[in-house]
Amino acid sequence: SQQGEEDPQALSIQEGENATMNCSYKTSINNLQWYRQNSGRGLVHLILIRSNEREKHSGRLRVTLDTSKKSSSLLITASRAADTASYFCATDFTNFGNEKLTFGTGTRLTIIP
Amino acid sequence: DSGVTQTPKHLITATGQRVTLRCSPRSGDLSVYWYQQSLDQGLQFLIQYYNGEERAKGNILERFSAQQFPDLHSELNLSSLELGDSALYFCASSVARYGTEAFFGQGTRLTVV
Repeated sequence: SQQGEEDPQALSIQEGENATMNCSYKTSINNLQWYRQNSGRGLVHLILIRSNEREKHSGRLRVTLDTSKKSSSLLITASRAADTASYFCATDFTNFGNEKLTFGTGTRLTIIP
Repeated sequence: DSGVTQTPKHLITATGQRVTLRCSPRSGDLSVYWYQQSLDQGLQFLIQYYNGEERAKGNILERFSAQQFPDLHSELNLSSLELGDSALYFCASSVARYGTEAFFGQGTRLTVV
């Protein structure tokens, strides 16, 4: 079963606009990560935010984490055509030593030039 | 280039057959993860190894098995293949058991006919 659920499932915006994707998860986590996947390719790590952090920035990316709501958001500012990809959140949590890195269902982002 | 190597890139085989997928992790990484991604689906966590030991198991079928060898490369064995096993299989590696970013290979695309 998936730990995370991204929302929306698909998003299309004009180049230059900001894109916001949300992730909700079910259990307590150690940290949350965001990854990008270009069609049929391997995933690429974007950013990691720890459970005691609330916000993190990396270039045009801004990630927030609300552990009380078990949710995170990824904001991509000033979008570019090259940002077209699927975006996944991933959580890891320990369950009596049974560590897992589980991914959500993904948001498919399309940037319209 | 993530530094994670998966072979083969493509595999076409018949139902009932057995295949082995191979993964060489990034130099220095001790954790190896295996994921299955079916068409337009998220990533399903299969199994994780850390330094040769199984650390976490997802919804991995009994027909599937994996191991991590002393040189840290890993193999995923899929047997009695069914049409529904057609998917992209990804390997990822990370330096720690959890809490660090994972680096993904380019995947093995398995087609069962």
